[in-house]
Amino acid sequence: AQRVTQPEKLLSVFKGAPVELKCNYSYSGSPELFWYVQYSRQRLQLLLRHISRESIKGFTADLNKGETSFHLKKPFAQEEDSAMYYCALVLGSGNTGKLIFGQGTTLQVKP
Amino acid sequence: DADVTQTPRNRITKTGKRIMLECSQTKGHDRMYWYRQDPGLGLRLIYYSFDVKDINKGEISDGYSVSRQAQAKFSLSLESAIPNQTALYFCATSDAGTGGSGANVLTFGAGSRLTVL
Repeated sequence: AQRVTQPEKLLSVFKGAPVELKCNYSYSGSPELFWYVQYSRQRLQLLLRHISRESIKGFTADLNKGETSFHLKKPFAQEEDSAMYYCALVLGSGNTGKLIFGQGTTLQVKP
Repeated sequence: DADVTQTPRNRITKTGKRIMLECSQTKGHDRMYWYRQDPGLGLRLIYYSFDVKDINKGEISDGYSVSRQAQAKFSLSLESAIPNQTALYFCATSDAGTGGSGANVLTFGAGSRLTVL
């Protein structure tokens, strides 16, 4: 069965420190993965997706098929990065629109 | 104005009551979804609809029903609410008409917090 695991419920770092939010998935096919973010008092929104291979707000995420991981990284955390982050995997293949979400990780960036 | 609007934003009800959560969108998207968020469990898909005549169950549809009244409206009903349906409910939309995997990019509403006593 397809699954997404985010092992950390809370990640707390100091401003300027590197950040890595872990995401592991299980899927035998070719995965399509996303990171969504929910800032305080804002809606859940797309941060980035692996097929775009882009950097958004300084965050990057690389798909590692060997380790079945899609970790989210940022070299220098900012206080405004504090939020809840969800990793998501498309259920099945193609343009299904159905996502499986991980449990979420709260990132707390301390001044 | 918000692209995806959910009503009510907060609701407290009693066990056994019928509850309807409503979602409307102005994005012109064809696909709509209802997710449930529980602490430590992330978001789980309840129902989804690819158009007005196409409604499908998600992973946790038991105890819920939906209605797609129009392309822009998608309602979630709890026929007889129970306490373990206490959760934050999200409506989301996506557009299958965009190129690539656009249908996999979801736009979320602000959420409806439901408490069943």
